[in-house]
Amino acid sequence: VYLQESGPGLVKPSETLALSCSVSGDSIDGGGYYWTWVRQLPGKGLEWIGSIHSVGSIHYNPSLKSRVALSQDIAGNQFSLNLTSVTEADSALYYCTRVDAVTGAHHFDPWGQGTLVTVSS
Amino acid sequence: DIQMTQSPTSLSASVGDRVTITCRPSQNIYKYLNWYHHRPGKAPQLLIFSSSSLHTGVSSRFRGSGSGTEFTLTIDSLQPEDFATYYCQQAYTTPWTFGQGTRVEIK
Repeated sequence: VYLQESGPGLVKPSETLALSCSVSGDSIDGGGYYWTWVRQLPGKGLEWIGSIHSVGSIHYNPSLKSRVALSQDIAGNQFSLNLTSVTEADSALYYCTRVDAVTGAHHFDPWGQGTLVTVSS
Repeated sequence: DIQMTQSPTSLSASVGDRVTITCRPSQNIYKYLNWYHHRPGKAPQLLIFSSSSLHTGVSSRFRGSGSGTEFTLTIDSLQPEDFATYYCQQAYTTPWTFGQGTRVEIK
């Protein structure tokens, strides 16, 4: 299974950050996983952003919930992240990953290589 | 949110050493605890899930243990590729949260 993030590396303050994650080797409508975004802020640890399941359930981190929207393109086998009203504090390395939704272990595997997003005018 | 506290935040060790990292969640998470390692420029990789289960393909020199509010990751006989940052993650409830990381450096 392979995940690959894509999107602009530079976003202006107050605009919307839009990223996509292309999945190969698995089908996002298979039902066994949450398709997930995580970010790493500079010099900081990892922060879960949100997860989407093929049946339509979506979970967001409350700290970002008012600005985040996840969606999925079943035909294209990819899922997307929109983060609105970005500030420099949203500059980070953004990862997409797959989270087990069946066993309850909720482990994140595998991960994409990550895409660096800088918010700057 | 469940806060995850790792210790130490960094350590220096030599190839062949045994290393232990501790993770303490702010509340009982039973055995819902996963470990990852992360090398710069690479994707994070799952090592251990459900506190002590070794992920497929991961070396048996990695061992996880613990439950409730204290967990440990032990690396037996540290190898050059093990120098990285290690994160714990609670899988008990959303928002899923990670520890701040433990950086393992070469002495």
